[in-house]
Amino acid sequence: GDSVTQMEGPVTLSEEAFLTINCTYTATGYPSLFWYVQYPGEGLQLLLKATKADDKGSNKGFEATYRKETTSFHLEKGSVQVSDSAVYFCALCTDKLIFGTGTRLQVFP
Amino acid sequence: GAVVSQHPSWVICKSGTSVKIECRSLDFQATTMFWYRQFPKQSLMLMATSNEGSKATYEQGVEKDKFLINHASLTLSTLTVTSAHPEDSSFYICSGATWGAGTEAFFGQGTRLTVV
Repeated sequence: GDSVTQMEGPVTLSEEAFLTINCTYTATGYPSLFWYVQYPGEGLQLLLKATKADDKGSNKGFEATYRKETTSFHLEKGSVQVSDSAVYFCALCTDKLIFGTGTRLQVFP
Repeated sequence: GAVVSQHPSWVICKSGTSVKIECRSLDFQATTMFWYRQFPKQSLMLMATSNEGSKATYEQGVEKDKFLINHASLTLSTLTVTSAHPEDSSFYICSGATWGAGTEAFFGQGTRLTVV
């Protein structure tokens, strides 16, 4: 069945460091891909999305490109801030929305 | 973005009783609702998918007679945990989506269920 695999955390970075969180997927058909973020004490929020191959989703300095050839949707940010500390979930959607295990990001000043 | 209201946010119940969790889409019509269960420090496990007016589709290993899902309207879905036991204690999250170009799912704040 469809599945999402993302790197285990926690990822610990200093402020202004470069961030990459890897995400790969397995799906039949052509899924849409998403990154969701869960800040401490809050619900899930959509961070960015891409609906077809080679699309790049971007929001709040985060980017991810839908790579069909490598079945990947890695999340990147050039310079992280303390306020980016949260749990990040990669997800795919065909007829149902499937999540990866989540990666906790901790950014220290 | 759109708002999904989930209620209650926290419930404690006695073993053997039933608990109903409501999920309402406040400013959009959710043709599909997803129900997830989140274990501590783990990902969201999809329990079931429900389309308005249809029976829910349950994921493998999820007991449909224990977790009753109703999606009677485009703005309301409910999850009832029947005859709850301590092992049902968990964090339950609903999500509403309207399919189409640029499909996006919106999440409720979650319900923490503790069965004692």
